[in-house]
Amino acid sequence: IQLTQSPSFLSASAGDRVTITCRASQDISLYLAWYQQRSGEPPNLLISAASTLHSGVPSRFSGSGSGTEFTLTINGLQPEDFATYYCQQLNTYLTFGGGTKVEI
Amino acid sequence: QVQLQQWGAGLLKPSETLSLNCSVIGGSFNNYYWTWIRQAPGKGLEWIGEINYSGSANYNPSVRDRVSISIDTSKRQISLKLTSVTVADTALYYCARTGLWVRASDLWGQGTMVTVSS
Repeated sequence: IQLTQSPSFLSASAGDRVTITCRASQDISLYLAWYQQRSGEPPNLLISAASTLHSGVPSRFSGSGSGTEFTLTINGLQPEDFATYYCQQLNTYLTFGGGTKVEI
Repeated sequence: QVQLQQWGAGLLKPSETLSLNCSVIGGSFNNYYWTWIRQAPGKGLEWIGEINYSGSANYNPSVRDRVSISIDTSKRQISLKLTSVTVADTALYYCARTGLWVRASDLWGQGTMVTVSS
C-alpha cells in the first residue's frame, strides 16, 4: 500500500490553519496514524485510527478521513509545530508517507 | 516511565551484518508489538518489521530476505539483524512500541545511527 502526502513542503506562519493530505493507494478504512518529527528527535504519535488524538497531544491537532483520503489539520499553528509530519497506514506492512515539512 | 534504550555497532563495511538491540525499561512488555523503523539521512521513515511477545514477526518485503527480528522476554530485549548491508542501509534506526490492536507506535527509542562505508 502506497501513501502519498501533499504537499511535501508547506510555508506557514504562527496562528495559521494548516491542512496536510495523505492518500492511500487502496482502501485502508481507518487504519491511519499521523506523527510529528521535530529536527533531531524521534517521531511522536499524534493521531491513530485516522482521528483519535493520542494522549497528551494538543487539541489544535485533528485528523479526519477514511478509505483512501485522510487529512491532518493544525488549527492555530504554534512555534513548536514547525516540524515534519508523516502519515502511516496501519493495515499491512505499516508503510509511511513521504512526509510534509512545515516551515516558517 | 517507560523507556526504550538502543545500542549496537554504528559503523559497518559493505556485506557485514547490522546488529542492534533495544531494551524495554519499565512498563508492560507482553502486550505490544516491538517495531524497527529506519530513516536514511534527510529522508523519510521506513518500517522494517515487528515482533510480538510470542515471537511472531512481520517484515517489510523490501528487506525480508536479509532481516531478522528476535525477542528475549526474560531480558525484555528486542534485536534486529540485517545481513549483507550496503551503503543504502545507512540510516538512523529506531525501535518503537506498537499497539497490538491499534497498530500505531506510541513510544520510540532515541535512535542508533548506522553508517555503512568501505
